[in-house]
Amino acid sequence: LAKTTQPISMDSYEGQEVNITCSHNNIATNDYITWYQQFPSQGPRFIIQGYKTKVTNEVASLFIPADRKSSTLSLPRVSLSDTAVYYCLVNGGATNKLIFGTGTLLAVQP
Amino acid sequence: EAQVTQNPRYLITVTGKKLTVTCSQNMNHEYMSWYRQDPGLGLRQIYYSMNVEVTDKGDVPEGYKVSRKEKRNFPLILESPSPNQTSLYFCASSFREGLRSPLHFGNGTRLTVT
Repeated sequence: LAKTTQPISMDSYEGQEVNITCSHNNIATNDYITWYQQFPSQGPRFIIQGYKTKVTNEVASLFIPADRKSSTLSLPRVSLSDTAVYYCLVNGGATNKLIFGTGTLLAVQP
Repeated sequence: EAQVTQNPRYLITVTGKKLTVTCSQNMNHEYMSWYRQDPGLGLRQIYYSMNVEVTDKGDVPEGYKVSRKEKRNFPLILESPSPNQTSLYFCASSFREGLRSPLHFGNGTRLTVT
């Protein structure tokens, strides 16, 4: 079964770029890697999804190396409202079980 | 408005008293799933359903039951709750199975079992 590892917390200042990495082994070879954002008292919200190399949307970029053993969420020019917990999500390999990372608390300061 | 609705938002109960947490989605999604969230452990999948009448165990299914009689509803049943099931529960749905389309989450149900 796949296992995921993320840093517990990160600090940043407004306007900086933030990169959060998730390490994941034994993930399904044909499935996406997805990242979610969660604010207190709310359910997680989809940010971005990718299969390999680089994906970019209006809020973030996702970098996935060729071996797919990790992925990096990149948030450009963070603001105070980006303070949240960020989770990576992968498929647990041979099964359809979904495995969330333990989450990274990003604290953005003025 | 497209959404996943969970009820109740808060629930306090006693050990052994059966309870059901309801989950409903209005997006015609095939895939639905339940998660529990605990400090330091993140989100862990309890059960999932790929379609009507098809359910399967996630990572932590012990002590829980689910059913999927209709596409829109996926209730979580605790036949005999215990204090270690005190947690924050989330229901989610997506258009297709697994990671192939984004999950839409409800706002959570905070359960306390005394």
